[in-house]
Amino acid sequence: DADVTQTPRNRITKTGKRIMLECSQTKGHDRMYWYRQDPGLGLRLIYYSFDVKDINKGEISDGYSVSRQAQAKFSLSLESAIPNQTALYFCATSDTTGDVTDTQYFGPGTRLTVL
Amino acid sequence: SQKIEQNSEALNIQEGKTATLTCNYTNYSPAYLQWYRQDPGRGPVFLLLIRENEKEKRKERLKVTFDTTLKQSLFHITASQPADSATYLCALQTGANNLFFGTGTRLTVIP
Repeated sequence: DADVTQTPRNRITKTGKRIMLECSQTKGHDRMYWYRQDPGLGLRLIYYSFDVKDINKGEISDGYSVSRQAQAKFSLSLESAIPNQTALYFCATSDTTGDVTDTQYFGPGTRLTVL
Repeated sequence: SQKIEQNSEALNIQEGKTATLTCNYTNYSPAYLQWYRQDPGRGPVFLLLIRENEKEKRKERLKVTFDTTLKQSLFHITASQPADSATYLCALQTGANNLFFGTGTRLTVIP
């Protein structure tokens, strides 16, 4: 089984709908991240969480919210989806060892289309 | 603001040759620089990490260099194979902060 899983893998929705993307990991990592990827813009950080009680905004958090339900679960919500949130969304995890290198392990991605 | 440039959006190379990808950055003093591989429809996969006090790191056919004076990292794939075709991303980390990713270079190795 994959270490980092995302559901759904594909989603088409309409403007104004509430959408939740879910991420689960079996790596036992404390840190979890949500990114979006757009052509020509690369990966951009939306939110990150260093443990269950810690949630932080990333570069592009407006229009998004997150919930860290457990060490293994981190969900991303779009409260009212808009077309420019159409993108490929990735969840990632990392484990901080003594030297804090933050190597990240990515899920397979969720392709979201907002019509 | 931070800026990371991967100079070539796409690079085509003949099988067996060495592919060289470039990552330049401004306004950073990165503690670490990482390279990832991304295949179509998949998440990025970590390849190599190099620290600011390291000049070069190798792993099998892969080599990464890090020049903090030039603010540049080079990523080399020697004896390239069609299976090496993918998008390669560089990412920088400053201290305990998060990674910042470049937009990637799409490498195609032609048989």
